[in-house]
Amino acid sequence: TQLLEQSPQFLSIQEGENLTVYCNSSSVFSSLQWYRQEPGEGPVLLVTVVTGGEVKKLKRLTFQFGDARKDSSLHITAAQPGDTGLYLCAGGTSNTGKLIFGQGTTLQVKP
Amino acid sequence: DAGVIQSPRHEVTEMGQEVTLRCKPISGHNSLFWYRQTMMRGLELLIYFNNNVPIDDSGMPEDRFSAKMPNASFSTLKIQPSEPRDSAVYFCASSFLGEETQYFGPGTRLLVL
Repeated sequence: TQLLEQSPQFLSIQEGENLTVYCNSSSVFSSLQWYRQEPGEGPVLLVTVVTGGEVKKLKRLTFQFGDARKDSSLHITAAQPGDTGLYLCAGGTSNTGKLIFGQGTTLQVKP
Repeated sequence: DAGVIQSPRHEVTEMGQEVTLRCKPISGHNSLFWYRQTMMRGLELLIYFNNNVPIDDSGMPEDRFSAKMPNASFSTLKIQPSEPRDSAVYFCASSFLGEETQYFGPGTRLLVL
């Protein structure tokens, strides 16, 4: 069974601080996606990484896919209150379109 | 463009009643996924369809749950009879076949009393 473990589960920081969220597995994934979910809404895709070692940047967010395609990290620089939400990583399983989701990291950024 | 549409957005029912959740995927998408989200278990895949055909229903918790996709633009998830432990947010997502990017609807928040 493929599992994705996210850490930390909860994070409460002050505006302006940096943070990193980790997503780890013993399984290899064809892709790794990060979603962000706000209260009362569905998850919204932030980024997809597909190549081992790949790094993608989205404004203050930096996403990295591990060399072995088993893990990923999300780094936020100078967090803003608008970054508050639930961050979910999801691993793709080749040819099925099925995603395996991590448990999520709840981020609270205080002004 | 319209995203994934789910109805109702909120449902409150009593134990033992039948509940039907509805989903309209993004036009042109040919894969559809039903998920359940709770604080304890996170986001769980219940069932998914490719080209209207159920592919994997191993996540359906028990026989009280059933899902159909009669055509490319409509799917239902039915719970009969409902129980309090079914209370959760149910999401529908769609994608192009084989692509790993899924687009989620706003969810249906179900409360079974």
